[in-house]
Amino acid sequence: QKEVEQDPGPLSVPEGAIVSLNCTYSNSAFQYFMWYRQYSRKGPELLMYTYSSGNKEDGRFTAQVDKSSKYISLFIRDSQPSDSATYLCASSGNTGGFKTIFGAGTRLFVKA
Amino acid sequence: DTGVSQNPRHKITKRGQNVTFRCDPISEHNRLYWYRQTLGQGPEFLTYFQNEAQLEKSRLLSDRFSAERPKGSFSTLEIQRTEQGDSAMYLCASSHPRTGGPSSSYNEQFFGPGTRLTVL
Repeated sequence: QKEVEQDPGPLSVPEGAIVSLNCTYSNSAFQYFMWYRQYSRKGPELLMYTYSSGNKEDGRFTAQVDKSSKYISLFIRDSQPSDSATYLCASSGNTGGFKTIFGAGTRLFVKA
Repeated sequence: DTGVSQNPRHKITKRGQNVTFRCDPISEHNRLYWYRQTLGQGPEFLTYFQNEAQLEKSRLLSDRFSAERPKGSFSTLEIQRTEQGDSAMYLCASSHPRTGGPSSSYNEQFFGPGTRLTVL
């Protein structure tokens, strides 16, 4: 079993739709939960992160973590074609240099 | 551009050859990470350095792989006797360690564009 599980998709939605991306994790020591966005032929870039359980909102993006169920979510409101990318969930503890464990990534297509 | 840079961007080699990749982190970032990403998968941790010290290595890093970070600046990743299974994107990232501040503060890792390796 991978430490971070993510449905690879692909997920195709019309412009303006609400997108829901989800992951589960297995390591109880994880304290930081991140969402990275990766465009084709580029390195991942951090979208947002959450410490422990809770919600975090940044513009059209909302990240949620439920540590009791080990569930990580990212919601994108009013999705745009420019949101088309691969979204990687990731987790780390606060030791070991923040070694980061990534999910497989979900490929998202937003159609105009 | 003051981001993480990696060279070369693409490398095609024949099985059995040795290859070396270079990563230049963001200046003043004393942590440097190497990840490997295969098609349809997320990045997998390989190793990380704090300054020149290699502090952790994944079991994925076989004896054919070696990473160095002399003087705590740029880093190199060498693969000896390449195999077709080594074909992947090799990503480098750097971060600046948190000094003080709340434990809720995450040390963002900034990724380079990667080196795509194809082993024929």
